[in-house]
Amino acid sequence: AQKVTQAQTEISVVEKEDVTLDCVYETRDTTYYLFWYKQPPSGELVFLIRRNSFDEQNEISGRYSWNFQKSTSSFNFTITASQVVDSAVYFCALASGSARQLTFGSGTQLTVLP
Amino acid sequence: GAVVSQHPSRVICKSGTSVKIECRSLDFQATTMFWYRQFPKQSLMLMATSNEGSKATYEQGVEKDKFLINHASLTLSTLTVTSAHPEDSSFYICSARAGTVNEKLFFGSGTQLSVL
Repeated sequence: AQKVTQAQTEISVVEKEDVTLDCVYETRDTTYYLFWYKQPPSGELVFLIRRNSFDEQNEISGRYSWNFQKSTSSFNFTITASQVVDSAVYFCALASGSARQLTFGSGTQLTVLP
Repeated sequence: GAVVSQHPSRVICKSGTSVKIECRSLDFQATTMFWYRQFPKQSLMLMATSNEGSKATYEQGVEKDKFLINHASLTLSTLTVTSAHPEDSSFYICSARAGTVNEKLFFGSGTQLSVL
C-alpha cells in the first residue's frame, strides 16, 4: 500500500515570505516517482515537478525548490518570495507499484496575502 | 508539451440522466488513462484505471455500473455517469499516460458535474 501525507491543510503567508509545504510518503517499492501539482481555483492540475526514487538531488526552478530525503521519506516544496499568484492548492503525489497508479496527498491550500 | 483535452469543462444535468465526459490525448498515444474524482476541498481519489482495448479496473467502492468507462482507442477514453444523482456532483479529472511509467502522466482540465 502507498500513502501520501500532507499534514498542512492550510497555510497563509504574506507576499514575499518564503513558505515550505511538507510531504511525507509511504511505499514498499524501491522504485517510485514523486510529484508536485498545483491546482489553482480554476481546477486544472498544473505539473510542477517529478522526481524518481534514485535521484535525491535537490532541485531549484526559479522561486521553487524541492528537498527530497529518502531517509525521512519526505519530499518538501519551498516557494521563495511568494506571490499572490502562488495561491492555490498544492498536491504531492506518489506513483509506485506495478500499476503505477498515482496516489495523491490531501493537498495544502496556500493563500498568499498581498 | 503533451496535451490532454477533457470535455465538457462544466455540465449541469437533471437527476436520472446520463452524462458522458471525454478525455483525449492530443499528441500522443495513451495506453492507460486514469479517472479521478475530487470533492470540494478534498484530494483526488482514483476511480478507475482504463487500458486501451480492455475493461477498466475500478477502485474499491466505485460502482462500475454507475461509472461506465470506455477506452476504445489510444487517444480517447470516456466516462459515463449513468442515472446521475445529486451525490454524483463532483469534479472529475482524467489523466493519460504515455508509456508504462508515470514519468509521462498528463492531466485533463477537469469536468465540474452538477446534478440537480
